[in-house]
Amino acid sequence: DIQMTQSPSSLSASVGDRVTITCRASQSIASSLSWFQQRPGKAPQLLIYAASSLQSGVPSRFSGSGSGTDFTLTISSLQPKDFATYYCQQSYSSPWAFGQGTKVEIK
Amino acid sequence: QVQLVQSGPEVQKPGASVKVSCKASGYTFTNYGITWVRQAPGQGLEWMGWISVYNGNTYYGHNQDRVTMTTDTSTSTAYMELRSLTSDDTAVYYCARVSGGNPDYWGQGTLVTVSS
Repeated sequence: DIQMTQSPSSLSASVGDRVTITCRASQSIASSLSWFQQRPGKAPQLLIYAASSLQSGVPSRFSGSGSGTDFTLTISSLQPKDFATYYCQQSYSSPWAFGQGTKVEIK
Repeated sequence: QVQLVQSGPEVQKPGASVKVSCKASGYTFTNYGITWVRQAPGQGLEWMGWISVYNGNTYYGHNQDRVTMTTDTSTSTAYMELRSLTSDDTAVYYCARVSGGNPDYWGQGTLVTVSS
């Protein structure tokens, strides 16, 4: 099975900061990686698919990059509603797996 | 608009089974898959599997011996049944539409509580 490892597990940042979250796969997954945002008590929301494609309706301050085993989610200028938990997920091979999550908190 | 509406909360005893439904609307049901994800209290997301609505093929995660995913194309509804429940199965269960391998629209979640 492919394992997904996110870092950091949590971070504190201020409104306007640039934030970067990384996700590493235990083996190559090509570009079969998605990023999700989850606010407390809500369902996850797809932000990025195919490693770097922005889901319709998602603000352009979110971007994704990477391929193979190393991936990055970047928020260019953190906004108040961006304080949430972020997950990566691979869909390259079954069982699909999520990273453990990165909680973005207000500094 | 695409909507996935899940069934209501459940309380089950250890050893019992639960069947959660997910009714889709706003798109052609057979053109997409459905995936199921769960989240235990205070924990991360756990992938349970997905089903191709088109041909019924299923792909399960680590609970594959206890889970069955099905669909009813006549009502555009997907189902996830989990058997032999234990307290570790207490979680919010989500369904999501799968488009090209990506879960793009999610249901509101169904809380399943396993307690004696």
